[in-house]
Amino acid sequence: DAGVTQSPTHLIKTRGQQVTLRCSPKSGHDTVSWYQQALGQGPQFIFQYYEEEERQRGNFPDRFSGHQFPNYSSELNVNALLLGDSALYLCASSSKPGLARETQYFGPGTRLLVL
Amino acid sequence: AQSVTQLGSHVSVSEGALVLLRCNYSSSVPPYLFWYVQYPNQGLQLLLKYTSAATLVKGINDFEAEFKKSETSFHLTKPSAHMSDAAEYFCAVSDVNYGGSQGNLIFGKGTKLSVKP
Repeated sequence: DAGVTQSPTHLIKTRGQQVTLRCSPKSGHDTVSWYQQALGQGPQFIFQYYEEEERQRGNFPDRFSGHQFPNYSSELNVNALLLGDSALYLCASSSKPGLARETQYFGPGTRLLVL
Repeated sequence: AQSVTQLGSHVSVSEGALVLLRCNYSSSVPPYLFWYVQYPNQGLQLLLKYTSAATLVKGINDFEAEFKKSETSFHLTKPSAHMSDAAEYFCAVSDVNYGGSQGNLIFGKGTKLSVKP
């Protein structure tokens, strides 16, 4: 049973560029959430996708956008990159939206460095 | 709104000693609480979760945590530390205040556990 997978593992970009990160959820899961983990901090919620729609959003600017595909995989896009966007980006998948006690399973993350 | 505070950014114990990692939460509704572990250069792995059943929750690798409503705490313990337990540990609460859809997780800042031989 494949867990949550993310690509690429590492990425280096320059300020002002755009980046796309990808996530495939754990088998049987239909909900994908994205988190940003800055160095030395806990992960912060960016947004969540279910049924190809953004269902919830954290306190992140519109430069952060996403998409969910019919096969439940998801993309995170960040435009106009800033140095402060350098972080580990984690994808988490789960099932049964509406149940806050449901476990979220995390992928290994994509480490983004903005120069 | 929910929040989590982890006391101690860095805890060091000797191999075989008791591990105690502290977590306090703030929540206006009964919380769902989680402990995750993150090994270097990896994602997060669930250790255990509290979902309003038993207050003493047992997880993987002999970790356990006790939910204490009166103290708003959910501290993580392990009787005997192993070298392989060296990692960063995150306490999280599920945010339930948005019309019934699934809770995103609100994380503490993490506690880095070192285990000395």
